[in-house]
Amino acid sequence: DAKTTQPTSMDCAEGRAANLPCNHSTISGNEYVYWYRQIHSQGPQYIIHGLKNNETNEMASLIITEDRKSSTLILPHATLRDTAVYYCIVRGKGSARQLTFGSGTQLTVLP
Amino acid sequence: EAEVAQSPRYKITEKSQAVAFWCDPISGHATLYWYRQILGQGPELLVQFQDESVVDDSQLPKDRFSAERLKGVDSTLKIQPAELGDSAMYLCASSLNPPTGKHTEAFFGQGTRLTVV
Repeated sequence: DAKTTQPTSMDCAEGRAANLPCNHSTISGNEYVYWYRQIHSQGPQYIIHGLKNNETNEMASLIITEDRKSSTLILPHATLRDTAVYYCIVRGKGSARQLTFGSGTQLTVLP
Repeated sequence: EAEVAQSPRYKITEKSQAVAFWCDPISGHATLYWYRQILGQGPELLVQFQDESVVDDSQLPKDRFSAERLKGVDSTLKIQPAELGDSAMYLCASSLNPPTGKHTEAFFGQGTRLTVV
């Protein structure tokens, strides 16, 4: 699976949009982009995934560039409870393909 | 809401002792994963099961670690003997088998925090 690069940390003001970038320049055509987050002392939690189209759910939006070499996770109105480590993961098809975590981005939402 | 159950939440053990962790996945989830997370790092896959069969244990230190899922439901991860470097969070996750070409998310438990002294 392709490797991802994320900033180590980011801050965001409460109520503002949080935009978390991820580079995955070696992604192949059949690999998906997944986002998970991990709140302190808890297990990771699924947020969203996509292939090439932009995706939105109740938690976040995922914007994938046309060349698919990078993506951005958007939390539209960040709250203090969104403070967590956010992981961008590239994963191939098939149930046997595991989630390979990097170091992620520590997002701190400031009051 | 269904959850992945893990026990214990915390475990302190002396080095060279044996320790075991238990995981009960969400009902109906055929795929089960054990991950290890060292403080400040992302989770690292140790072993993956499909029902009762091991799919991938390439990162499992087999000289001291073992994992089983005898009936294809709950699972146990054992370390014997424990070493100081095994201090970490041990996470269990489960997922459904996706239909061909589809994806399913993995659901994680709260983890077991192991401290080896």
